[in-house]
Amino acid sequence: EIVLTQSPGTLSLSPGERATLSCRASESLSSIYLAWYQQKPGQPPRLLIYGASTRATGIPDRFSGSGSGTDFTLTINRLEPGDFAVYYCQQFGGSPAGTFGQGTKVELK
Amino acid sequence: EDQLVQSGAEVKKPGESLKISCKGSGYSFTSYWVAWVRQVPGKGLEWMGIIYPGDSDTRYSPSFQDQVTFSVDKTINAAYVQWHNLKATDTAIYYCARHVFQFTPSGYRYYGMDVWGQGTTVTVSS
Repeated sequence: EIVLTQSPGTLSLSPGERATLSCRASESLSSIYLAWYQQKPGQPPRLLIYGASTRATGIPDRFSGSGSGTDFTLTINRLEPGDFAVYYCQQFGGSPAGTFGQGTKVELK
Repeated sequence: EDQLVQSGAEVKKPGESLKISCKGSGYSFTSYWVAWVRQVPGKGLEWMGIIYPGDSDTRYSPSFQDQVTFSVDKTINAAYVQWHNLKATDTAIYYCARHVFQFTPSGYRYYGMDVWGQGTTVTVSS
């Protein structure tokens, strides 16, 4: 069973700083199956990245994804006030399909 | 604009049945899978499974197999999730989302869940 583990649980940063979020898979996963989402309170998630590194439509280039195998990273450059949210990675390639990581909260320091 | 609009909040008692809906517009509803995602208040996201409106092909997450039933009515571009015996632990927000993947000669590629409904809050309490 593939498990996604995100770290850290919470990241306390200031606007303008860089956020680096990790998503580790319990077994090797092709990057074409890895996506990242942002969720703000009271809102549905929003797709940020698919294929581990391709930005979804309308996502600014401050957001970037990378990684392969078992280690994936979401980087947010120059944090803006609207970026403080919870971020989830998700896979659709392992078994069971579709699982999410537990989330990383990016909060205002 | 591609949209998914979900039915309103529900309050039910344990043991009751429930069916909530998700209606698509702005795109070819029968050409994309629809996913259902659960979020217990204050917790993370759980992928429940997917259904293809074109032919009702359905894939459930093992955690939700036999707990819920997905269905579609493609004449009105609607997807549904149904419970026959609600429990207090079913209390959550349920999201539908357009689940995009494409079969390729070597397997498939996943493009993520790119359109989301606003969520339906389900409260189960005696």
